[in-house]
Amino acid sequence: QKEVEQNSGPLSVPEGAIASLNCTYSDRVSQSFFWYRQYSGKSPELIMSIYSNGDKEDGRFTAQLNKASQYVSLLIRDSQPSDSATYLCAVTWSDTGRRALTFGSGTRLQVQP
Amino acid sequence: GAGVSQSPSNKVTEKGKDVELRCDPISGHTALYWYRQSLGQGLEFLIYFQGNSAPDKSGLPSDRFSAERTGGSVSTLTIQRTQQEDSAVYLCASSLTGGAAEQYFGPGTRLTVT
Repeated sequence: QKEVEQNSGPLSVPEGAIASLNCTYSDRVSQSFFWYRQYSGKSPELIMSIYSNGDKEDGRFTAQLNKASQYVSLLIRDSQPSDSATYLCAVTWSDTGRRALTFGSGTRLQVQP
Repeated sequence: GAGVSQSPSNKVTEKGKDVELRCDPISGHTALYWYRQSLGQGLEFLIYFQGNSAPDKSGLPSDRFSAERTGGSVSTLTIQRTQQEDSAVYLCASSLTGGAAEQYFGPGTRLTVT
């Protein structure tokens, strides 16, 4: 089992809909959670960080963390074609001194106009 | 302000040659990370520098890989005797502090070993 798991997709949603991206992670002492967006041929771009249980909202994006169930999700409201990209979930682990991000393989999102 | 910069953006080299990749982190960021992204392996950690502490080299795949960070700023990743499996995009990231701080990535260097 991989340490950080994501459905590879593609997840296809119509323009204006809510896109829901999910990520599960191994039962280790995790500390911090991040969502990155990566357009084809480009480097990852940080969207959100979340450190404690619950929801965190930033514009059209909401990150949700549930440590008891070991999942973190990203909701994108009012999805736009420009949101079409691969979304990477990343975790830092306390038992490695939180020194590096461990990434999932990413979920490809397609927003249909 | 300026983000993380990397050079070159593309590098094509022959198998067996040495290559040097450069990273200039965001000004004021004390932590610097190298990752690589390849089709088969996804994004994987290579090495981490934090201030004046000894680097965390736990992700380096072989002793052909090394990195240094001079003056707490610019970093160079060196790959000796390149192999075809070294072909990947090498990404540098920096963060304001180490640990759980948010990491910001540079544009990457695409390395192709022929």
